[in-house]
Amino acid sequence: DTGVSQDPRHKITKRGQNVTFRCDPISEHNRLYWYRQTLGQGPEFLTYFQNEAQLEKSRLLSDRFSAERPKGSFSTLEIQRTEQGDSAMYLCASSPRTVLYNEQFFGPGTRLTVL
Amino acid sequence: AQKITQTQPGMFVQEKEAVTLDCTYDTSDPSYGLFWYKQPSSGEMIFLIYQGSYDQQNATEGRYSLNFQKARKSANLVISASQLGDSAMYFCAMREEGNTPLVFGKGTRLSVIA
Repeated sequence: DTGVSQDPRHKITKRGQNVTFRCDPISEHNRLYWYRQTLGQGPEFLTYFQNEAQLEKSRLLSDRFSAERPKGSFSTLEIQRTEQGDSAMYLCASSPRTVLYNEQFFGPGTRLTVL
Repeated sequence: AQKITQTQPGMFVQEKEAVTLDCTYDTSDPSYGLFWYKQPSSGEMIFLIYQGSYDQQNATEGRYSLNFQKARKSANLVISASQLGDSAMYFCAMREEGNTPLVFGKGTRLSVIA
């Protein structure tokens, strides 16, 4: 399988706990994106990387959120002190270049439920 | 600021019929790209079709075509010969040149009836 993979697919946690999600992009893609999707909404941009450099962060990404992409390969998204409002689907996507017409390839997502 | 509007929360279509899903957008950038994605109940986002702002012809990909009306800032998705497997959420998205994150609309839930 050469698509974008995400782990875990589902995560249930208690409020106040820390969680970490992993995304493995398509191997030759240098751009990696994180989006959050809540029920009934379209995905909303969180942050993106070009290789290992984090180039942009949305205002949605509070101080409790941190993302890394060491060595420009896989990426992790950590949420500290989770809140019920963090419950959402977290989607990762990758793309090969920055030209306008390159679509982003999405992973299956990680569904987070905060109790 | 970019904005995508999808005014149809839900649509029904008879199997084998055609259906149009509406999308309007707002941008001040002359160079931009418009995308449609399908999201089945399993959750993954599947790329369907792309239209560039400078493309002279409407994009087509199999049963999918994009009715691009630049002056009206609309990029409607047309699905011909609907199949039961087309039942899903459909999202319109845009990116401006040099601004790589996609901006999505709220989506339209399409239900295909046998």
